[in-house]
Order: sequence, then structure tokens, then C-alpha cells
Amino acid sequence: EAGVAQSPRYKIIEKRQSVAFWCNPISGHATLYWYQQILGQGPKLLIQFQNNGVVDDSQLPKDRFSAERLKGVDSTLKIQPAKLEDSAVYLCASSPRPQGSVPNTEAFFGQGTRLTVV
Amino acid sequence: GNSVTQMEGPVTLSEEAFLTINCTYTATGYPSLFWYVQYPGEGLQLLLKATKADDKGSNKGFEATYRKETTSFHLEKGSVQVSDSAVYFCALRMDSSASKIIFGSGTRLSIRP
Repeated sequence: EAGVAQSPRYKIIEKRQSVAFWCNPISGHATLYWYQQILGQGPKLLIQFQNNGVVDDSQLPKDRFSAERLKGVDSTLKIQPAKLEDSAVYLCASSPRPQGSVPNTEAFFGQGTRLTVV
Repeated sequence: GNSVTQMEGPVTLSEEAFLTINCTYTATGYPSLFWYVQYPGEGLQLLLKATKADDKGSNKGFEATYRKETTSFHLEKGSVQVSDSAVYFCALRMDSSASKIIFGSGTRLSIRP
């Protein structure tokens, strides 16, 4: 089974530029997450999709970040304009829909995109 | 709100030493609990999980038991190897189709040969 695919792996941009990240989740997974991991910290959820609908975007800085998941499959996360404090690893993850009484399963993570804003 | 607290690192041990990384959680309800590991240059990988009280998750010699009475999920390994050097994250997820995974801040583990 193919894992979560993310691209690019690395990106360096100047502040005030824009950048986009792409994620293709595991086939059939209904839930897709974007997390931000700043160096030395745990991942922080930016946005969560269930199919192509947004479930939680309470921590997404909506003045500069946007995300979409067209057709409920792959997703893009955009930052415009970037700030120095956006330097981080952006992780995409997916998980299957819970089946009946089966508890939530874990999320499967991609390798991430390391963004450096200079 | 729901949260995870884990011991701060870095933790440095000699090979074959016993490892414990503490993790406690705060949750309104009964979450599933996870330990994820991040090896240098790689993404997050699930190490083990437990979905209800008294469950023990285990993998690659690591174990953690879901303790509802102490709201804890401590990670243990009897004899660590150099290859276990990584960052370890404790996490929880509530049992809801809309639930997110909440992570602790991570514990960096370094094993000396």
C-alpha cells in the first residue's frame, strides 16, 4: 500500500513570497490533516478535512494560509505572504473513516515539507 | 481542552539501558493513545497504540500501558539500542469521526554505544 505522498521535500523562499505544498493521502482515506511542526515542538494541527469538507481549521492563520481538498482526494496548502515564523516542517497525514464501533485508528504521515523562510 | 504532557528531553542513555519516557494526558472522555517516533530526516511513524483502559501497546521491544486512573501512557523499553535514537511523541485522539490527533512536545532520545 502506497503511503502519504508530499511534495516538495524542501523549499526555501524569501519573506512575503508565496508557496504551495501538495499532499496525496493513502487511497480511500476519508480524513486528511495538515500539521505544522516548528523545530523542537510537537506537530500542531492547521486544518482537518473529512472528504472535501473542513472539520477543523481553528488554528489556521486564515489571513495568510489557505487549504483545499478538491474531490476529497489530494490537497494543497498555500501560504501567501510567508513570514519568517512560518519556517517549519509541514506534515500531511491521513486516516480511514472509523467503522461502526471500531475506535479511531492512527493517522499515517508523509515525510513532510521543510520550509525555510529567509 | 484536551492535551498531552511528556517529559522534556533530551534523554541520553547508554546502549542496553532501561528506558522510560513519561506521558500524561488530559481529556474529556476516553481517548485512544499513541506513541509516534521520528527518526532523523524521516516522517512520523506510529510506534504503538492503545484504545482503551488497561490496554498494552507493544512494538519493537517498546511497551506502554493505558492507565486511566493516573491518565498516563508511559513508554518503556528494557534494553535500548543505538538505532532507537529518535524523537518520540505521545499523542491522543478522541473517539469521534471529527477528532484530531493532539501531540505532546516530543522527547529526543540519544543512545550512546
